[in-house]
Amino acid sequence: QVQLVESGGGVVQPGRSLRLSCAASGFTFSNYGMHWVRQAPGKGLEWVALIWFDGSNEHYADSVKGRFTISRDNSRTTLYLQMKTLQAEDTAVYYCVRDGGSGYRLDHWGQGTLVTVSS
Amino acid sequence: QSALTQPPSASGSPGQSVTISCTGTSSDVGGYNYVSWYQQHPGKAPKLMIYEVTKRPSGVPDRFSGSKSGNTASLTVSGLQAEDEADYYCSSYAVNDVVFGGGTKLTVL
Repeated sequence: QVQLVESGGGVVQPGRSLRLSCAASGFTFSNYGMHWVRQAPGKGLEWVALIWFDGSNEHYADSVKGRFTISRDNSRTTLYLQMKTLQAEDTAVYYCVRDGGSGYRLDHWGQGTLVTVSS
Repeated sequence: QSALTQPPSASGSPGQSVTISCTGTSSDVGGYNYVSWYQQHPGKAPKLMIYEVTKRPSGVPDRFSGSKSGNTASLTVSGLQAEDEADYYCSSYAVNDVVFGGGTKLTVL
């Protein structure tokens, strides 16, 4: 079965960096686009970034553009999110999500990893 | 990247039907048949319930149905059950973007 396991979350000071990882299994990782979606405590879902199946294209929400970088290693079936210049507003649970195709159908979600930006 | 508009809350008694709306623009909901709905129970990851406006993934009960008219999509839950109590989010494709609604808390009375 499809499994997405995020790691790398934790407490980080404002202005610092953090890298999240997502280990994928149970499907052919290199055939699927992948997303990061976040959810601030007590708030709704916010799309963060998308990377195409082959890593050839990336797209970002305006709120993270220029600070976050999504990448993938298809040989390791792993998705990454490099986050720089973190701000308090970036505090959230970050979900790794598979794109099932046809208009950004987010069909499988990881359990999420919590990032807390605080001094 | 403006969020889609959902009512903050909805409710119904067991066995009843409830409809949740999701309003966007011609650049997202109205422009494409790529609206999805997600169910999220407290402390859990979201789960895909509806995609491409009306389609259900395998395993989702047929009590859940989706529709769209113009810039507004809707999720209808028929024959409400206690386990349907959750937060529901709509989302839509937009060019190089995914737009979510603010979420609706569905309460089963």
